[in-house]
Amino acid sequence: ILNVEQSPQSLHVQEGDSTNFTCSFPSSNFYALHWYRWETAKSPEALFVMTLNGDEKKKGRISATLNTKEGYSYLYIKGSQPEDSATYLCAFLSGYSTLTFGKGTMLLVSP
Amino acid sequence: DSGVTQTPKHLITATGQRVTLRCSPRSGDLSVYWYQQSLDQGLQFLIQYYNGEERAKGNILERFSAQQFPDLHSELNLSSLELGDSALYFCASSVQGLSEQYFGPGTRLTVT
Repeated sequence: ILNVEQSPQSLHVQEGDSTNFTCSFPSSNFYALHWYRWETAKSPEALFVMTLNGDEKKKGRISATLNTKEGYSYLYIKGSQPEDSATYLCAFLSGYSTLTFGKGTMLLVSP
Repeated sequence: DSGVTQTPKHLITATGQRVTLRCSPRSGDLSVYWYQQSLDQGLQFLIQYYNGEERAKGNILERFSAQQFPDLHSELNLSSLELGDSALYFCASSVQGLSEQYFGPGTRLTVT
């Protein structure tokens, strides 16, 4: 059974704070690492798909890094806004198709 | 709107019954995935189809089965339902296995 761990479980920050979360995954048989954003009452929405060690991806104020050798990825949000409040999921792809999701980090940004 | 549709949105049924959940992928996507989200559990991968063929199987019970039709829509059949099958069932689609997945709105199944 593959273990994908995310920390922290939840986070409450003030508007304007920068924050980061961690995703840990097995360092063997790596194919890709996905990040998804899941707002309440909606469905998960893809943020990034990362495949290469050392990958860094950015979308607006959100960025992610990947270290496949040690099995971790960081997601950063710069200057958090209330609309960033959501659960952030990472998912590890090993083999060709099986995506294993972590339980997510729930972020709440207060105005 | 991801472009993935799922019906029905909500389903309430009794133990022992059988239900069918339906998913239409985004236009052009050949891969369809089914996931189960239960209370306190992360998204659990159930099964994947690619262009009509089963590609990968996860933690799918023998009471559950799925198929993908020539028009690429997929159905997930759940039979001999138990209380523990109550969950949110998501369908997702992608162009191919390494691509990001686009999730439908989900079907909330309640077994009473």
